Amino acid sequence: GAVVSQHPSWVICKSGTSVKIECRSLDFQATTMFWYRQFPKQSLMLMATSNEGSKATYEQGVEKDKFLINHASLTLSTLTVTSAHPEDSSFYICSARDQGTGESQPQHFGDGTRLSIL
Amino acid sequence: DAKTTQPPSMDCAEGRAANLPCNHSTISGNEYVYWYRQIHSQGPQYIIHGLKNNETNEMASLIITEDRKSSTLILPHATLRDTAVYYCIVRVGNSGYALNFGKGTSLLVTP
Repeated sequence: GAVVSQHPSWVICKSGTSVKIECRSLDFQATTMFWYRQFPKQSLMLMATSNEGSKATYEQGVEKDKFLINHASLTLSTLTVTSAHPEDSSFYICSARDQGTGESQPQHFGDGTRLSIL
Repeated sequence: DAKTTQPPSMDCAEGRAANLPCNHSTISGNEYVYWYRQIHSQGPQYIIHGLKNNETNEMASLIITEDRKSSTLILPHATLRDTAVYYCIVRVGNSGYALNFGKGTSLLVTP
């Protein structure tokens, strides 16, 4: 089945540094990938839609200059949290859908990245 | 996406069937019912989906009522590893948009 790989799975860094998270579709191509954020005891909230070869679309309230998204190929999207602060600590999750295998194919998710900013 | 309603929590004894309900009374004719689950500290995992007919795979069965206004996810022999939050999501199949996660049902499987 379709597999989405996310890396790293866990990162701790100092306040003010930038952190890059990678999301790869391992056995399919994805023109669109999605980035979600999840705070403790809450559901997933969409942050942005990553589009291959074009600019990402951000949800209301998500700072595009703080959360940089690059989707340079059909199998890789990256999310960079710039100048991270403790309030950016969260669980970040990406997803993608194999659009070449039928209209009802589900989205598949990475295992998430636990980001802790000290 | 059609609105869905799920109970906030359920318990199930290990080895018994877990039946998780979902109401989606405003579902449209071209909308599918998808089920995902999220085990603690992991990304969501796709379980099953269907349009009209009941579906079964290696993980679960999906029963959709004839009027399509509700459905039930069945885990036939629940194990402790099935403890998770289960999400029922209704949406058009070929939609290129992200999934809207509600609060889901927190299933606790007990020994």
